[in-house]
Formats: sequence, structure tokens, C-alpha cells
Amino acid sequence: DTGVSQDPRHKITKRGQNVTFRCDPISEHNRLYWYRQTLGQGPEFLTYFQNEAQLEKSRLLSDRFSAERPKGSFSTLEIQRTEQGDSAMYLCASSLPLAGEGTDTQYFGPGTRLTVL
Amino acid sequence: GQQVMQIPQYQHVQEGEDFTTYCNSSTTLSNIQWYKQRPGGHPVFLIQLVKSGEVKKQKRLTFQFGEAKKNSSLHITATQTTDVGTYFCAHGSSNTGKLIFGQGTTLQVKP
Repeated sequence: DTGVSQDPRHKITKRGQNVTFRCDPISEHNRLYWYRQTLGQGPEFLTYFQNEAQLEKSRLLSDRFSAERPKGSFSTLEIQRTEQGDSAMYLCASSLPLAGEGTDTQYFGPGTRLTVL
Repeated sequence: GQQVMQIPQYQHVQEGEDFTTYCNSSTTLSNIQWYKQRPGGHPVFLIQLVKSGEVKKQKRLTFQFGEAKKNSSLHITATQTTDVGTYFCAHGSSNTGKLIFGQGTTLQVKP
């Protein structure tokens, strides 16, 4: 399977614990995005990498959240001191910059569903 | 920042009926993308529109981009049970590619 993969698919944790999620993008894609999706809502942008550089972070991303893409390939998203409000689906997407009109087509992974008890 | 509003939130139709979802913005959009998310699944890209008044078709799906590039619609003719899911419109940043999604329209199809 050459699509975007995410690990784990499900994570249940207790409030106050730290969690880390991993995303493996499509291999030739240099752009990588993290989104958060809660029930009944569209995905909300969290952060964006071009290669290993983190170029944009949403105001949604509090200082408890950190993301890395150390070698410009896979990425990790860590949440420290989790809160019940962090419960959501965390989606990763990757893309290649589009030449010409419009913008990239993003390919989403299956997501990591986080439940904070 | 730019926001996209999507209506309706839910739509229940009988199989064979048509379905339309609408996406609106208060500002001009450089592009609009449409994604489908099946229950329990992840968003899957359907199409991108960039030109004023553009109309694109994919089998029973028709996508339109308004003349003012402030609204878009997705119309499904003769729905089938395989059309079930949530349809999202999204605007992509020309610089970074990041997507701003609408709230989505969840389609239920009764066989």
C-alpha cells in the first residue's frame, strides 16, 4: 500500500498522559499536514511541513502540542498533558506542490482516534 | 481568514432521488475542492474547481463554481446507497496548500 499511513489507529489514554502519533506520507510527497476532526465537523488545520521545515501552525495548536518531521519523511505529533477536549480524530495528509492554477490535492491517512478519559 | 459555510448539514433521500450540497464564502475563493468521507473513513479528494463559472462532471456527480467564485455546489443525480457519506467543500491556500473545510453535508440514502 503506497498511501498515507498512520499509527496507532486508536489510542485511549488518561487525562494528563502524553501521547505520540506517527504519520508516514506518500514517499515522494514533500508537503505534510496535520488536521484534527471532531464529530460532525470538518477537519481543522493544525500544522504544515514542507520537507523538514514546519512552516505554519494554527492557533489551535497550543503549547502542549508539538510536531516534527526530522528527515522530511515521516512526522510525529505529540500531545503533552492530554485533556478531555483533545479527544478527536487526528488526520495526516500529504501532497506535492501543484504547478499552475489551484492548489495541491491532499491524500489523507486513515487517522488516529484519540480518546482521553 | 477565509471561511466556507456549507448547507445543509444533513440530507436524507430515497434511493434514486437527487441530492445537492452548497458551499458559500463571503470572500472570493481562488479554488474550491470537494472531498467525500465515508462513515468511519477519511476524506478522499473528488475534484478541484478554479475557474469562474466552471462546471465539471464525474458520472452522476456535477460540480459547479459560481461566477463570482464565492460559492460552489455538488449535485448527485439518482443517488445510490454507495453515495452515503459526508461531503466537504474546502478552500486550499495557494501558498501552503492548507485546506479550510466547510462543516460538511452528511448524506443518508434509504434503499
